[in-house]
Amino acid sequence: AQSVSQHNHHVILSEAASLELGCNYSYGGTVNLFWYVQYPGQHLQLLLKYFSGDPLVKGIKGFEAEFIKSKFSFNLRKPSVQWSDTAEYFCAVNAGNNDMRFGAGTRLTVKP
Amino acid sequence: GAVVSQHPSRVICKSGTSVKIECRSLDFQATTMFWYRQFPKKSLMLMATSNEGSKATYEQGVEKDKFLINHASLTLSTLTVTSAHPEDSSFYICSGVSGGYEQYFGPGTRLTVT
Repeated sequence: AQSVSQHNHHVILSEAASLELGCNYSYGGTVNLFWYVQYPGQHLQLLLKYFSGDPLVKGIKGFEAEFIKSKFSFNLRKPSVQWSDTAEYFCAVNAGNNDMRFGAGTRLTVKP
Repeated sequence: GAVVSQHPSRVICKSGTSVKIECRSLDFQATTMFWYRQFPKKSLMLMATSNEGSKATYEQGVEKDKFLINHASLTLSTLTVTSAHPEDSSFYICSGVSGGYEQYFGPGTRLTVT
């Protein structure tokens, strides 16, 4: 079964700093990749997804992620974070069978 | 985007009682629904997968007799926590899929068992 690793448990940044959250997965076949965000007290929302095509995908709110197949990675990036980006971020992998596996999550705290 | 609702959003019950949580897809037909459990400061743990009209498939370690799942229609799935105990206190989240791989998540239900 596939597994998902998020390396950073808690990231603290100042506003305008650049962000990169790591995500690695273990599965050798075709995968669909997702990043979800959970703002405090709210439900999961889709930030972006990769199914096929251009490995650099752009999502909402200025986020992007790059799928590097050789590294089994799908890191999330944002050039300049805002205080409102404070949230929990989850990477998820679906191996094409509706079996979605989530990473442990990374809590992002952005200091104003 | 597709909307999934859950009811109730919060519930407090006494130990030994049963609690039912509803998950509804409001603007799409969810051929498959998933139930997750989220522990504090932890990730989502898949509990079970249900397809409309058939029995749910439970993940290893999840007691099917304790967590009863019914997916009676393409827009409704229910999770019943039977004989709840304090260790069942958690945040329960459902999601629905309509023919693709993207899951649409409900807002979650906070269960507290006293």
